[in-house]
Amino acid sequence: GAVVSQHPSRVICKSGTSVKIECRSLDFQATTMFWYRQFPKQSLMLMATSNEGSKATYEQGVEKDKFLINHASLTLSTLTVTSAHPEDSSFYICSARPSYLAVLKNEQYFGPGTRLTVT
Amino acid sequence: QQQVKQSPQSLIVQKGGISIINCAYENTAFDYFPWYQQFPGKGPALLIAIRPDVSEKKEGRFTISFNKSAKQFSLHIMDSQPGDSATYFCAASVPGGSNYKLTFGKGTLLTVNP
Repeated sequence: GAVVSQHPSRVICKSGTSVKIECRSLDFQATTMFWYRQFPKQSLMLMATSNEGSKATYEQGVEKDKFLINHASLTLSTLTVTSAHPEDSSFYICSARPSYLAVLKNEQYFGPGTRLTVT
Repeated sequence: QQQVKQSPQSLIVQKGGISIINCAYENTAFDYFPWYQQFPGKGPALLIAIRPDVSEKKEGRFTISFNKSAKQFSLHIMDSQPGDSATYFCAASVPGGSNYKLTFGKGTLLTVNP
């Protein structure tokens, strides 16, 4: 159980275009999902917290107009990188916290990641 | 300010040996301490987690030791195997706070030699 998928696993796009990444919780509902960015040999950097039915909360320094997050259902969150540039090339990973968890419990399950390359 | 400090940055262990990775935290409000395992090109996988009301938790070859007074916790991998070679991240979060954000350590690259 507790499986999270991401699509696509890899994407190459041209500079100036937009790309959408999907994150799905396959066997549980997730009120809260998270989007991370990871550079090679570095830790995960939280970009934003996505709550179903409300606006995402972005971390300091993350451009909300560039990284659009939509959490329209309890099993799907999307990250759209708008007007992508080569410096946006990175490994993007989502995680999901099951809604069935008690308030003080915080298990999060990660997706397999999406490798974005902007040329 | 890095709230979770992880060491060592890299670790080489012989097959069958014990791998030990340490983390120290500063925020005494942290209440949940998971460890994640990440293979190259993959997302992190939840390995084991502990809450501060216990000092140790064991799941198979993986054990978390927790020292609340020292604000430290560690991951022990017994009988390490080449398949354990991966990057390990410790993390911590405040109960129900800040929308359940996890604060991650910088990671430890574990190599288990055959």
